[in-house]
Amino acid sequence: EAGVAQSPRYKIIEKRQSVAFWCNPISGHATLYWYQQILGQGPKLLIQFQNNGVVDDSQLPKDRFSAERLKGVDSTLKIQPAKLEDSAVYLCASSLGRIISGNTIYFGEGSWLTVV
Amino acid sequence: LAKTTQPISMDSYEGQEVNITCSHNNIATNDYITWYQQFPSQGPRFIIQGYKTKVTNEVASLFIPADRKSSTLSLPRVSLSDTAVYYCLVGAPSGGYQKVTFGTGTKLQVIP
Repeated sequence: EAGVAQSPRYKIIEKRQSVAFWCNPISGHATLYWYQQILGQGPKLLIQFQNNGVVDDSQLPKDRFSAERLKGVDSTLKIQPAKLEDSAVYLCASSLGRIISGNTIYFGEGSWLTVV
Repeated sequence: LAKTTQPISMDSYEGQEVNITCSHNNIATNDYITWYQQFPSQGPRFIIQGYKTKVTNEVASLFIPADRKSSTLSLPRVSLSDTAVYYCLVGAPSGGYQKVTFGTGTKLQVIP
């Protein structure tokens, strides 16, 4: 079974530039998550999709961050304009999303962003 | 969501059993306890999940007392490759969807 795919793996941009990250979840997974992980900290949930609808974006800085999952499969996370404090790993994850016990979340390898 | 508290770091020698305890005093009736492992430059990886008593799989055991206010991840005979950050998560379907929040985790250093 293929895992969660993310690209690009690494990106370096200057502040005020824009960047986009792409995620392809595990086939059949209805729930898709984007997390931000700053060095030395645990992952912080930015946005959670159920199919193509947003169910939680309370910690997404909406003035500069946006995310979409148009067809309920792939997702894109965009940052515009980037700030120095956005330097982090952006993790995409997916799960079946059913209301069942043991709903395991699977993570991708992450996209490393450095803003200079 | 129930907040979790874990030790920031732990050291262990190779071959020893390691127990990492997580405190979650405000755990709700529907909450499950899940542990993830994260190596540098990788995304977190599911280790084990439980609701009560004891759960065991091929890599770890999870002990949950009757009051469920804490849980202990047990790693038998650790090796250098077990050096990683371990996260304890508590959560449950909310509004029909699984909500998951990570804490700061426990950094385990295995020493030769």
